[in-house]
Amino acid sequence: EPEVTQTPSHQVTQMGQEVILRCVPISNHLYFYWYRQILGQKVEFLVSFYNNEISEKSEIFDDQFSVERPDGSNFTLKIRSTKLEDSAMYFCASRQDRGPAFFGQGTRLTVV
Amino acid sequence: DQQVKQNSPSLSVQEGRISILNCDYTNSMFDYFLWYKKYPAEGPTFLISISSIKDKNEDGRFTVFLNKSAKHLSLHIVPSQPGDSAVYFCAASEQAGTALIFGKGTTLSVSS
Repeated sequence: EPEVTQTPSHQVTQMGQEVILRCVPISNHLYFYWYRQILGQKVEFLVSFYNNEISEKSEIFDDQFSVERPDGSNFTLKIRSTKLEDSAMYFCASRQDRGPAFFGQGTRLTVV
Repeated sequence: DQQVKQNSPSLSVQEGRISILNCDYTNSMFDYFLWYKKYPAEGPTFLISISSIKDKNEDGRFTVFLNKSAKHLSLHIVPSQPGDSAVYFCAASEQAGTALIFGKGTTLSVSS
């Protein structure tokens, strides 16, 4: 069964460093998303990506964040200069059009 | 500004009984609603969805009810099983491809 895969499963980084979180969405899906969940809190929308451009973004998705689909399969989230409060689980999701979004297993980002 | 609200942080139910999880929304433009199940350190797993043209959708032990006039939906699990113990998130979106907005989640505990 097709699934969304995310790497790495856990990333530890020093404050101020850049990180890139990687995702391989389901191959025939058209919409790609990044969400995050800070420990004990709700799943928060960051950004959606369609037709090689950002279609929606939340207030959380400020200038330190960027997304890219560098080839036909990968979808990445870059955080330029990490802060302690960026520590969270980051989830990638993809969706065909209508219908549910399917999520990856997440990357746990720890900023120290 | 919570567009999707799950006002009960937790619910405890005995095995074999019915679990009813509730969700309210404020955005009248939402027309597609979903329930996801989430275990710790895993991504949300899609359970069941309903579009605004329906008021009920059933899949095995899971039934989602939608009351558009009250802007309320509920997930019924019958019969509840210990393996159903997880965090359940309600989510909603406005139209095809747009972001899913999540509630804060309800932790369901099913005891045997």
